[in-house]
Amino acid sequence: DAGITQSPRHKVTETGTPVTLRCHQTENHRYMYWYRQDPGHGLRLIHYSYGVKDTDKGEVSDGYSVSRSKTEDFLLTLESATSSQTSVYFCAISTEINQPQHFGDGTRLSIL
Amino acid sequence: GDSVTQMEGPVTLSEEAFLTINCTYTATGYPSLFWYVQYPGEGLQLLLKATKADDKGSNKGFEATYRKETTSFHLEKGSVQVSDSAVYFCALSLKTSYDKVIFGPGTSLSVIP
Repeated sequence: DAGITQSPRHKVTETGTPVTLRCHQTENHRYMYWYRQDPGHGLRLIHYSYGVKDTDKGEVSDGYSVSRSKTEDFLLTLESATSSQTSVYFCAISTEINQPQHFGDGTRLSIL
Repeated sequence: GDSVTQMEGPVTLSEEAFLTINCTYTATGYPSLFWYVQYPGEGLQLLLKATKADDKGSNKGFEATYRKETTSFHLEKGSVQVSDSAVYFCALSLKTSYDKVIFGPGTSLSVIP
Protein backbone atom coordinates (compact mmCIF):
# COMPACT_ATOMS: atom_id res chain seq x y z
CA ASP A 1 0.00 0.00 0.00
CA ALA A 2 1.10 3.54 -0.72
CA GLY A 3 2.49 5.24 2.36
CA ILE A 4 -0.14 7.84 3.16
CA THR A 5 -1.05 8.80 6.70
CA GLN A 6 -3.88 11.13 7.59
CA SER A 7 -4.18 12.68 11.01
CA PRO A 8 -6.24 12.86 13.01
CA ARG A 9 -8.51 9.98 11.98
CA HIS A 10 -11.46 11.39 13.90
CA LYS A 11 -12.18 14.85 15.23
CA VAL A 12 -15.13 16.55 16.84
CA THR A 13 -15.05 20.30 17.21
CA GLU A 14 -17.30 23.32 17.54
CA THR A 15 -18.50 25.82 15.00
CA GLY A 16 -16.12 28.75 14.60
CA THR A 17 -12.96 26.96 15.68
CA PRO A 18 -9.97 26.49 13.37
CA VAL A 19 -9.15 22.95 12.28
CA THR A 20 -6.08 21.57 10.51
CA LEU A 21 -5.92 18.16 8.92
CA ARG A 22 -2.60 16.65 7.93
CA CYS A 23 -1.65 14.35 5.11
CA HIS A 24 1.80 12.79 5.17
CA GLN A 25 3.26 10.65 2.37
CA THR A 26 6.43 8.60 2.16
CA GLU A 27 6.21 7.96 -1.62
CA ASN A 28 7.75 11.23 -2.84
CA HIS A 29 4.81 11.71 -5.23
CA ARG A 30 4.55 15.14 -6.81
CA TYR A 31 0.76 15.52 -6.77
CA MET A 32 -1.38 15.65 -3.64
CA TYR A 33 -5.13 16.19 -3.31
CA TRP A 34 -7.75 16.85 -0.68
CA TYR A 35 -11.30 15.56 -1.22
CA ARG A 36 -14.44 15.51 0.84
CA GLN A 37 -16.93 12.67 0.64
CA ASP A 38 -20.58 13.24 1.44
CA PRO A 39 -23.66 11.10 0.87
CA GLY A 40 -25.27 11.96 -2.44
CA HIS A 41 -22.25 13.94 -3.64
CA GLY A 42 -19.55 11.34 -4.02
CA LEU A 43 -16.00 12.67 -3.93
CA ARG A 44 -15.42 16.37 -4.48
CA LEU A 45 -12.02 17.97 -4.91
CA ILE A 46 -11.22 20.76 -2.43
CA HIS A 47 -7.64 21.70 -3.29
CA TYR A 48 -4.67 20.07 -4.93
CA SER A 49 -0.93 20.55 -5.12
CA TYR A 50 1.48 19.97 -7.99
CA GLY A 51 4.65 20.68 -6.04
CA VAL A 52 6.09 22.36 -2.98
CA LYS A 53 4.33 25.70 -2.51
CA ASP A 54 2.28 25.05 -5.70
CA THR A 55 -1.40 24.66 -4.94
CA ASP A 56 -4.69 25.46 -6.60
CA LYS A 57 -8.41 25.35 -5.94
CA GLY A 58 -10.73 22.50 -6.73
CA GLU A 59 -14.46 22.30 -7.07
CA VAL A 60 -15.40 23.13 -3.44
CA SER A 61 -12.60 25.31 -2.09
CA ASP A 62 -14.61 28.00 -0.27
CA GLY A 63 -13.85 27.96 3.47
CA TYR A 64 -10.68 25.88 3.05
CA SER A 65 -7.01 26.71 2.64
CA VAL A 66 -4.01 24.47 2.08
CA SER A 67 -0.26 24.57 2.42
CA ARG A 68 2.55 22.41 1.18
CA SER A 69 5.95 23.44 2.56
CA LYS A 70 7.52 20.00 2.05
CA THR A 71 6.97 17.31 -0.57
CA GLU A 72 5.68 14.88 2.03
CA ASP A 73 3.14 17.05 3.84
CA PHE A 74 -0.10 18.63 2.63
CA LEU A 75 -2.18 20.48 5.21
CA LEU A 76 -5.86 21.35 4.93
CA THR A 77 -7.13 24.16 7.17
CA LEU A 78 -10.66 25.20 7.98
CA GLU A 79 -10.15 28.73 9.28
CA SER A 80 -13.53 28.90 11.01
CA ALA A 81 -15.35 25.59 10.88
CA THR A 82 -19.05 25.45 10.01
CA SER A 83 -21.52 22.59 10.36
CA SER A 84 -21.65 22.24 6.56
CA GLN A 85 -18.02 21.14 6.68
CA THR A 86 -18.91 18.02 8.62
CA SER A 87 -17.67 15.29 6.29
CA VAL A 88 -15.13 12.59 5.67
CA TYR A 89 -11.93 14.05 4.22
CA PHE A 90 -9.57 12.05 2.06
CA CYS A 91 -6.06 12.82 0.98
CA ALA A 92 -4.70 11.29 -2.22
CA ILE A 93 -1.38 11.27 -4.06
CA SER A 94 -0.25 10.48 -7.58
CA THR A 95 2.95 10.51 -9.61
CA GLU A 96 1.46 12.21 -12.66
CA ILE A 97 -1.80 13.89 -13.63
CA ASN A 98 -3.34 10.93 -15.40
CA GLN A 99 -1.96 8.20 -13.17
CA PRO A 100 -4.06 6.46 -10.54
CA GLN A 101 -4.44 8.17 -7.22
CA HIS A 102 -3.63 6.45 -3.95
CA PHE A 103 -5.83 7.38 -1.03
CA GLY A 104 -5.39 7.65 2.69
CA ASP A 105 -7.89 6.12 5.08
CA GLY A 106 -9.72 9.37 5.68
CA THR A 107 -10.48 11.76 8.54
CA ARG A 108 -14.00 11.85 9.90
CA LEU A 109 -14.68 15.44 10.98
CA SER A 110 -17.78 16.43 12.93
CA ILE A 111 -18.54 20.09 13.58
CA LEU A 112 -21.19 20.72 16.20
CA GLY B 1 -18.68 19.58 -19.32
CA ASP B 2 -16.74 16.46 -18.43
CA SER B 3 -18.64 13.95 -16.34
CA VAL B 4 -19.02 10.34 -15.24
CA THR B 5 -22.36 8.61 -14.85
CA GLN B 6 -22.85 5.36 -12.98
CA MET B 7 -25.84 3.16 -12.49
CA GLU B 8 -27.85 3.90 -9.39
CA GLY B 9 -27.43 1.66 -6.40
CA PRO B 10 -27.59 -0.02 -4.09
CA VAL B 11 -27.12 -3.29 -5.90
CA THR B 12 -27.82 -6.52 -4.02
CA LEU B 13 -26.68 -9.86 -5.43
CA SER B 14 -26.47 -13.41 -4.23
CA GLU B 15 -23.05 -15.01 -3.94
CA GLU B 16 -21.77 -16.39 -7.28
CA ALA B 17 -24.06 -14.12 -9.31
CA PHE B 18 -22.80 -12.16 -12.34
CA LEU B 19 -22.07 -8.49 -11.73
CA THR B 20 -22.31 -5.56 -14.11
CA ILE B 21 -22.00 -1.96 -12.99
CA ASN B 22 -22.53 0.47 -15.84
CA CYS B 23 -20.34 3.52 -16.32
CA THR B 24 -20.50 6.07 -19.12
CA TYR B 25 -18.51 9.24 -19.50
CA THR B 26 -18.41 12.57 -21.27
CA ALA B 27 -15.00 14.08 -21.87
CA THR B 28 -13.08 16.28 -24.24
CA GLY B 29 -10.02 14.52 -25.52
CA TYR B 30 -8.99 10.98 -24.63
CA PRO B 31 -9.19 10.26 -20.93
CA SER B 32 -7.73 7.45 -18.90
CA LEU B 33 -10.45 5.45 -17.14
CA PHE B 34 -10.40 3.84 -13.73
CA TRP B 35 -12.47 1.77 -11.35
CA TYR B 36 -11.87 2.28 -7.65
CA VAL B 37 -13.30 0.27 -4.76
CA GLN B 38 -14.00 1.53 -1.24
CA TYR B 39 -14.49 -0.91 1.64
CA PRO B 40 -16.22 0.32 4.79
CA GLY B 41 -14.08 2.67 6.85
CA GLU B 42 -11.31 2.83 4.26
CA GLY B 43 -10.13 5.06 1.46
CA LEU B 44 -10.55 4.30 -2.21
CA GLN B 45 -8.28 1.70 -3.79
CA LEU B 46 -7.53 1.37 -7.46
CA LEU B 47 -9.20 -1.74 -8.83
CA LEU B 48 -8.29 -1.51 -12.51
CA LYS B 49 -7.52 0.98 -15.25
CA ALA B 50 -7.43 1.46 -19.02
CA THR B 51 -5.60 4.22 -20.82
CA LYS B 52 -6.78 3.95 -24.43
CA ALA B 53 -9.64 2.70 -26.55
CA ASP B 54 -10.20 -1.09 -26.56
CA ASP B 55 -7.88 -1.61 -23.58
CA LYS B 56 -9.20 -4.11 -21.06
CA GLY B 57 -8.34 -3.63 -17.42
CA SER B 58 -8.57 -6.60 -15.09
CA ASN B 59 -7.86 -7.41 -11.46
CA LYS B 60 -9.19 -9.87 -8.85
CA GLY B 61 -11.69 -11.31 -11.35
CA PHE B 62 -13.07 -7.89 -12.29
CA GLU B 63 -12.85 -6.63 -15.87
CA ALA B 64 -13.73 -3.48 -17.77
CA THR B 65 -13.17 -2.55 -21.42
CA TYR B 66 -12.62 1.01 -22.65
CA ARG B 67 -15.27 1.51 -25.35
CA LYS B 68 -14.68 4.79 -27.16
CA GLU B 69 -17.60 4.35 -29.55
CA THR B 70 -20.11 4.07 -26.69
CA THR B 71 -18.07 6.15 -24.20
CA SER B 72 -18.43 3.37 -21.65
CA PHE B 73 -16.33 1.47 -19.14
CA HIS B 74 -18.64 -1.10 -17.56
CA LEU B 75 -17.36 -3.18 -14.66
CA GLU B 76 -18.03 -6.93 -14.72
CA LYS B 77 -17.30 -9.97 -12.61
CA GLY B 78 -18.42 -13.46 -13.38
CA SER B 79 -19.01 -14.69 -9.84
CA VAL B 80 -19.19 -12.29 -6.91
CA GLN B 81 -18.28 -13.13 -3.34
CA VAL B 82 -19.44 -11.70 -0.04
CA SER B 83 -16.02 -10.04 0.27
CA ASP B 84 -16.79 -7.97 -2.86
CA SER B 85 -19.37 -5.97 -0.90
CA ALA B 86 -18.17 -2.37 -1.20
CA VAL B 87 -18.77 0.90 -3.03
CA TYR B 88 -17.42 1.07 -6.58
CA PHE B 89 -16.42 4.32 -8.25
CA CYS B 90 -15.82 4.91 -11.93
CA ALA B 91 -13.43 7.77 -12.70
CA LEU B 92 -11.71 9.51 -15.56
CA SER B 93 -8.53 11.48 -15.77
CA LEU B 94 -7.68 13.99 -18.42
CA LYS B 95 -4.05 14.39 -19.30
CA THR B 96 -4.16 18.11 -19.84
CA SER B 97 -5.38 19.45 -16.52
CA TYR B 98 -4.22 19.00 -12.95
CA ASP B 99 -7.67 18.95 -11.47
CA LYS B 100 -9.47 16.93 -14.07
CA VAL B 101 -9.90 13.71 -12.17
CA ILE B 102 -13.62 13.19 -12.13
CA PHE B 103 -15.31 10.54 -10.03
CA GLY B 104 -18.73 9.08 -10.55
CA PRO B 105 -21.15 9.07 -7.59
CA GLY B 106 -20.35 5.48 -6.62
CA THR B 107 -22.42 2.30 -6.68
CA SER B 108 -22.92 0.36 -3.49
CA LEU B 109 -22.80 -3.43 -3.87
CA SER B 110 -24.00 -5.89 -1.26
CA VAL B 111 -23.42 -9.60 -1.80
CA ILE B 112 -25.46 -11.94 0.35
CA PRO B 113 -24.59 -15.58 1.05
